[in-house]
Amino acid sequence: RKEVEQDPGPFNVPEGATVAFNCTYSNSASQSFFWYRQDCRKEPKLLMSVYSSGNEDGRFTAQLNRASQYISLLIRDSKLSDSATYLCVVSGIFGAGTRLFVKA
Amino acid sequence: NAGVTQTPKFQVLKTGQSMTLQCAQDMNHEYMSWYRQDPGMGLRLIHYSVGAGITDQGEVPNGYNVSRSTTEDFPLRLLSAAPSQTSVYFCASSAVSGAKNIQYFGAGTRLSVL
Repeated sequence: RKEVEQDPGPFNVPEGATVAFNCTYSNSASQSFFWYRQDCRKEPKLLMSVYSSGNEDGRFTAQLNRASQYISLLIRDSKLSDSATYLCVVSGIFGAGTRLFVKA
Repeated sequence: NAGVTQTPKFQVLKTGQSMTLQCAQDMNHEYMSWYRQDPGMGLRLIHYSVGAGITDQGEVPNGYNVSRSTTEDFPLRLLSAAPSQTSVYFCASSAVSGAKNIQYFGAGTRLSVL
């Protein structure tokens, strides 16, 4: 089992849809969790940190489930500009990313 | 607002050639790292440094050397390029020591080894 796993997708959703990604991790002692966004042929950029109590930033909500060892990212009211690859990072280890395509 | 600067952006090498990928940051970050990104495999850590004069190996260090003579610079050297080193390379820095914190990435170097 990989240390950090993501569904590679792609997820194809229409504008306005709600979409959720999960990221599972194997090390129960993991302490830091992030979501990064990577546009095609660009560098990864921090989207949001993930806190134990869950956190929200506009249309984006991140949650941590320690019991089941996964983090999630929920995107509401998807925009065309949300099309990208979303990378989870758990204790410095990157997942392979989930590709999202938002269609008009 | 330079942040993390990588050069070159693109490079083509022949098998056996050597080269250095440059990385510089102007944020006074202690922690710097090099990753390679291959399709379907995410970012894999090559080498990292927790401060000037200190470097250590990551997950995939073979075939690469690094040095950290200053806080700002962290070059990655390919000793004898192989086709398996064809990849996109990213340099990153972090204010606090350790990859467990928010990292800022350079724009990447796309390397092809023929």
